[in-house]
Amino acid sequence: QVQLQESGPGLVKPSQTLSLTCTVSGGSISSGSYYWSWLRQPPGKGLEWIGYIHYSGSTYYNPSLKSRVTLSVDTSKNQFSLKLNSVTVADTAVYYCARTETLLPFDSWGQGTLVTVSS
Amino acid sequence: DIQMTQSPSSLSASVGDRVTITCRAGQSISSYLNWYQQKPGKAPKLLIYAASSLQSGVPSRFSGSGSGTDFTLTISSLQPEDFATYSCQQSYSLPRTFGQGTKVEIK
Repeated sequence: QVQLQESGPGLVKPSQTLSLTCTVSGGSISSGSYYWSWLRQPPGKGLEWIGYIHYSGSTYYNPSLKSRVTLSVDTSKNQFSLKLNSVTVADTAVYYCARTETLLPFDSWGQGTLVTVSS
Repeated sequence: DIQMTQSPSSLSASVGDRVTITCRAGQSISSYLNWYQQKPGKAPKLLIYAASSLQSGVPSRFSGSGSGTDFTLTISSLQPEDFATYSCQQSYSLPRTFGQGTKVEIK
């Protein structure tokens, strides 16, 4: 049973860069068919998919955030990471990492981490 | 982007009630529709995938149907642990998109 765990600062100042890491346990991030995703959920609102990365390094970003997002993967640590630059208060949300495959759902999720953007 | 629209946005029901939630896609997504349950402070939990396939470990009172643009999640007999928010999500195309959620509350 694969498990995912987000980590990173819970408070980021406006205009700075939000950085989070997801650590995968119970399975290899290098399993060929999986894509590793980031999603977020602002307080009281619905879920938004940020993008995903394959262990090979290929990525797809949601066009709504593409100009500010970078995903990376470290197979040696079984981790993948999110960087979101030039944050504003609108980026305050619970951020989740999750696993998916082509045409399939998000079947494993991290517990989520709240990131607040505030000065 | 494919817009996903759920109705209703909230509902009140009693234990034992049959509950139906609908999800409409902005274009045909075949059967690439998934349903999640989310409780406060918790991550979403996958209930139904591919419109009608029950995820392992999910009680059989949950069922899904539909194809194309119109989909339904049904809870046949609402249990106390089912009070939560339910969201649909399409996995047909990128970017992946979600409905706004339906909150099921106790009457």
